[in-house]
Amino acid sequence: DQQVKQNSPSLSVQEGRISILNCDYTNSMFDYFLWYKKYPAEGPTFLISISSIKDKNEDGRFTVFLNKSAKHLSLHIVPSQPGDSAVYFCAASGLQGAQKLVFGQGTRLTINP
Amino acid sequence: NAGVTQTPKFQVLKTGQSMTLQCAQDMNHNSMYWYRQDPGMGLRLIYYSASEGTTDKGEVPNGYNVSRLNKREFSLRLESAAPSQTSVYFCASQKGGTGDNYGYTFGSGTRLTVV
Repeated sequence: DQQVKQNSPSLSVQEGRISILNCDYTNSMFDYFLWYKKYPAEGPTFLISISSIKDKNEDGRFTVFLNKSAKHLSLHIVPSQPGDSAVYFCAASGLQGAQKLVFGQGTRLTINP
Repeated sequence: NAGVTQTPKFQVLKTGQSMTLQCAQDMNHNSMYWYRQDPGMGLRLIYYSASEGTTDKGEVPNGYNVSRLNKREFSLRLESAAPSQTSVYFCASQKGGTGDNYGYTFGSGTRLTVV
């Protein structure tokens, strides 16, 4: 039972345009959401997060939007740059015990020059 | 500063062999985690340790054991490796506690092949 789903395995975007990565979740107990970025042969690195009390969080070129009623979040990257080419994982957590993160399957983003 | 260090980076095992994946963090974090990454499956939690002296099962614990040796180190053991355990294994640590932003720091991974 996949509690966090990224339904697009891959996405290709032109440099300078907007990249939109989507994530859906099923567990209404999740109250904190994160995006991680992963380059080949490296571990994932934290990118941006959002609490369920907010519907938007910005950090430079990266913005995460949360729609709790739809159990959906998205990551917007504007403008997209070649260095943004990576696998992006969505993750969710609830206020339980050790704050375990549940990850989605990942979306491979390719930025074309 | 090293962050989270995993050893080895690569390993090939024969079915039935055993091995231990090592993980150490130098950030004085309380919580540590082991995940495996498989194509199309994302990252799945194997075991975690909320604090020194405690360990708990995650989503896919079968075939694995863990030891939280001290606050810095959290090892993952495969007692009798199977081809289904071919994967990339990531260790992560987290500060934990009230007000923490839930962010993990990951190691660079161990690529394990079981033949």
